[in-house]
Amino acid sequence: ELKVEQNPLFLSMQEGKNYTIYCNYSTTSDRLYWYRQDPGKSLESLFVLLSNGAVKQEGRLMASLDTKARLSTLHITAAVHDLSATYFCAVDANTGNQFYFGTGTSLTVIP
Amino acid sequence: NAGVMQNPRHLVRRRGQEARLRCSPMKGHSHVYWYRQLPEEGLKFMVYLQKENIIDESGMPKERFSAEFPKEGPSILRIQQVVRGDSAAYFCASSPRISRDTIYFGEGSWLTVV
Repeated sequence: ELKVEQNPLFLSMQEGKNYTIYCNYSTTSDRLYWYRQDPGKSLESLFVLLSNGAVKQEGRLMASLDTKARLSTLHITAAVHDLSATYFCAVDANTGNQFYFGTGTSLTVIP
Repeated sequence: NAGVMQNPRHLVRRRGQEARLRCSPMKGHSHVYWYRQLPEEGLKFMVYLQKENIIDESGMPKERFSAEFPKEGPSILRIQQVVRGDSAAYFCASSPRISRDTIYFGEGSWLTVV
């Protein structure tokens, strides 16, 4: 079974600081997805990374994908309180049928 | 264009009762996926359906759980004789076709078994 690991699981950071969340996965896949989840809410799609070397940016978040290393990163620049949420990465099994999710990174941005 | 609609949002059941969770996909979407999220964990795939067909149920527990997506009406995830371990958030997602682009999630149904 495809395994997806995220670290750190919990992240507390001050406003204005930078940090990176890592997502490793265990088998070949050329697509990786990042989602955000607020408490008691659904998952909001942030990024779909479609190929090796893909980099996407939206506001203070930037995601990248290295398929050879089976690694994706989500970089947070100059964090603000509104970014507090749980962030999940997910990988599909090249079938389109199902996504395999990481355990999530719970981010708290402290004023 | 309404998103993926799930109901009920919160459901409390006693052990041994049945739980029925409903999901209406986004307009124009004919593919539905169900995922389960246990406390402090990521989402786990349960089942993938198209209209009137179960395509992949490899993530469904073998007993007590069933899913359908009829020609008319919402998709239903049914859990019979619930146990405390079934307490979780159940998310439905939809896509317009078998899609390797993102899928769109509903707001989830939180099941609590007491």
